[in-house]
Amino acid sequence: SQTIHQWPATLVQPVGSPLSLECTVEGTSNPNLYWYRQAAGRGLQLLFYSVGIGQISSEVPQNLSASRPQDRQFILSSKKLLLSDSGFYLCAWSVGGGEETQYFGPGTRLLVL
Amino acid sequence: RKEVEQDPGPFNVPEGATVAFNCTYSNSASQSFFWYRQDCRKEPKLLMSVYSSGNEDGRFTAQLNRASQYISLLIRDSKLSDSATYLCVVTHYGQNFVFGPGTRLSVLP
Repeated sequence: SQTIHQWPATLVQPVGSPLSLECTVEGTSNPNLYWYRQAAGRGLQLLFYSVGIGQISSEVPQNLSASRPQDRQFILSSKKLLLSDSGFYLCAWSVGGGEETQYFGPGTRLLVL
Repeated sequence: RKEVEQDPGPFNVPEGATVAFNCTYSNSASQSFFWYRQDCRKEPKLLMSVYSSGNEDGRFTAQLNRASQYISLLIRDSKLSDSATYLCVVTHYGQNFVFGPGTRLSVLP
């Protein structure tokens, strides 16, 4: 069966510090991968998605970036965090095609102080 | 107008009650529809897909009305464990998921 991992589970970072969140998927090949952010009490906002290694599409302009160095690895990064980057970051995967069911990882809760 | 809108909630219902959530979407080309459930401080989990003919899974029934661009979720005989936020999700061919803001349900003893 497929599983998706994210780490760390929680993170407290000062403003201006760098960020690296990692997501890995097991049990499937060539998945579509997604990064979402959920601000407190708000809906999910799609940040990035990837249909293959090295292929990244950005949905919203921001100071975040994403990379996919391996088929089942998706990384979310920032060089300098802002207060507004605080939120719940969720990684998801699907078998392919944007309309297929997405399955979410456990998420990383980020607090920027 | 937002692409996916849901009842603002919260819904507070007693155990055993029947509760219905509504969701509307603006893109008439939308093709796939889902309901996800999100517990507090947890990731969303797929509850059920929504098919044109409507579908049922135990106490849960989902309906789709394409003409009105409307999706519903009915929960019968509510349990305490049904307390969560319910997310309506819409997508159209080749595009990514669009999540509604969610409707929070609290089932009270």
